[in-house]
Order: sequence, then C-alpha cells, then structure tokens
Amino acid sequence: EPEVTQTPSHQVTQMGQEVILRCVPISNHLYFYWYRQILGQKVEFLVSFYNNEISEKSEIFDDQFSVERPDGSNFTLKIRSTKLEDSAMYFCASSRLSDQETQYFGPGTRLLVL
Amino acid sequence: GENVEQHPSTLSVQEGDSAVIKCTYSDSASNYFPWYKQELGKGPQLIIDIRSNVGEKKDQRIAVTLNKTAKHFSLHITETQPEDSAVYFCAANGSWGKLQFGAGTQVVVTP
Repeated sequence: EPEVTQTPSHQVTQMGQEVILRCVPISNHLYFYWYRQILGQKVEFLVSFYNNEISEKSEIFDDQFSVERPDGSNFTLKIRSTKLEDSAMYFCASSRLSDQETQYFGPGTRLLVL
Repeated sequence: GENVEQHPSTLSVQEGDSAVIKCTYSDSASNYFPWYKQELGKGPQLIIDIRSNVGEKKDQRIAVTLNKTAKHFSLHITETQPEDSAVYFCAANGSWGKLQFGAGTQVVVTP
C-alpha cells in the first residue's frame, strides 16, 4: 500500500538556523499539506498546496515558512530562521484530486530547536 | 474559523468493553469528518470517516455517527482490544481541504 514518507525522522538544530523537511507524497496525489503537532497538543494545519501554489495557510505559517515542490515527487517545508517554539512534530499529508478531503499522513519529522 | 471540541481527553476501558469518543464542530459548512488513530511516535492513521450525507458508517468494530443538526459526531469502538490503545483524533474539514483537529483522546485498554 502506498504511503507518505518523510525525512529526516529527527532533526536537531540551533536557533536561527534554516531547516528543510522533506516529504514524498503518495504518487498519484495532487494535494499536499503540512501540519505540526507540538508535544502533547493537537495537530495544527500549516499550509495546503495544489498546482504549484499555496491554496491556504494558517496564521502559524508566517514569512519564516515556505513550501516547494522541487520535482515530481518531493514536497518540502523550509523554516528560514528557526525559533525555540518551532520545536514540534511536523507531518506531511497528501490527497487525491478526486477526494481532496481524505488525507493520508506521513510518519512525521521531530524537530528540536535548541 | 472552524473549532472542534473533543471529549473525553482520556478514556480507560476494560478489554472487551466499548469506547465512545465525542466531538462537536462549529462550522456549518464542514461536510467531512475523519477519525485518526495515532500510536506513539507515529503519524495519524485514518481509521474511518463520514460525510454529511450519511448519519452512520461502520467498519468491523468501529463506527461513526454524525448529527449535522446538533453539529456533533462520535466514534464507537466495540469489543476493545489492547491494540486499540492509542490517541484518537477527530477532525472536520474547512476550505481547501484543511482539517481542523480535536485535542485528542488517549484510550487505554486494560486486559
């Protein structure tokens, strides 16, 4: 069964550094998402992406964040200058063109900002 | 925007008993309500979903009910087993497929 994959599984970085989190969505999916989950809290929407454009973004997704689909398979989340409060689990999700709502999540990247 | 409330935050059940988790939502435009199971250190796994044109959906030991008038939906797990122990999240859709999640319910099934 196809799955969303994410790399790395864990990332430790210093405050102010840039990080790039990578995702490979399910191959025939055309909608892509990033969510985050701060330890012990609910999963929060960050951004949705379709047709090489951001469809919607949350208040969390400020100018420090960007997303990109650099090729036909990868979908990345970049945090330009990390803050302590960016420490969280980041999940990528994807869905089909014919069924946008049904989203399948990857295993996540645990980001720790020191 | 959409707000999803989920109760209870923790639920302890004896193996074989039933578990019920309830959620309410605020946005009348929401029409898709998935439930995710999250095991420790893993991503949310979709276990069942329901759309607003039906009131109930069942898949083996799990079922979901939806009351659009009251804006609430529930997850029912029957004959619980230890492997059902996990955190369960409800969600409701918003614009552009965005999912708004509830706060989660830690379910512990004791043998």
